[in-house]
Amino acid sequence: ETGVTQTPRHLVMGMTNKKSLKCEQHLGHNAMYWYKQSAKKPLELMFVYNFKEQTENNSVPSRFSPECPNSSHLFLHLHTLQPEDSALYLCASSQGLVTDTQYFGPGTRLTVL
Amino acid sequence: QKEVEQNSGPLSVPEGAIASLNCTYSDRGSQSFFWYRQYSGKSPELIMSIYSNGDKEDGRFTAQLNKASQYVSLLIRDSQPSDSATYLCAVPNSGGYQKVTFGTGTKLQVIP
Repeated sequence: ETGVTQTPRHLVMGMTNKKSLKCEQHLGHNAMYWYKQSAKKPLELMFVYNFKEQTENNSVPSRFSPECPNSSHLFLHLHTLQPEDSALYLCASSQGLVTDTQYFGPGTRLTVL
Repeated sequence: QKEVEQNSGPLSVPEGAIASLNCTYSDRGSQSFFWYRQYSGKSPELIMSIYSNGDKEDGRFTAQLNKASQYVSLLIRDSQPSDSATYLCAVPNSGGYQKVTFGTGTKLQVIP
């Protein structure tokens, strides 16, 4: 265990559903990240939060909405997703500098029908 | 667009051999480099980080960095079947952006 937990581990949703992914880190880190991992593609950074403030939004469609209420929790709210959004969604945390090691959670395997 | 390139493989090596994984990057200002290992169905975990030109050794793993050539590699000595995984090269972007660019990863298969 890396100290980063994610729920749920698996999620199947229709295109009209609304769901949320949750991430929690127990490492005392200041930065949290959402990544998308699709087959045959590199990890794609979606959002970065540093001290609860969003510092990066990597041109992510508005159907993905992040929320960071505090430095330990990160959410990804999903609505009206497309089948091509099916992927592994990974949360990570780090001390806060871009050069710091990132610790990944186990991921949420999302399938959009 | 910052890029990190890796050969996707699979790279097959016999047990006990040396596995050599390579990575090139485009961001000349990058100062630190990471190798992550990802088992199938699992999340990435850090194996090595390297910041200075030359070699850095940690057990059976050696990271090599050549900033002039924008090249970083990972050597795995005495490869074991348990080393079979995908290895991701990660390069933090320079310029003050809080972003790390990952390569697509190289799949390593160690044949018993």
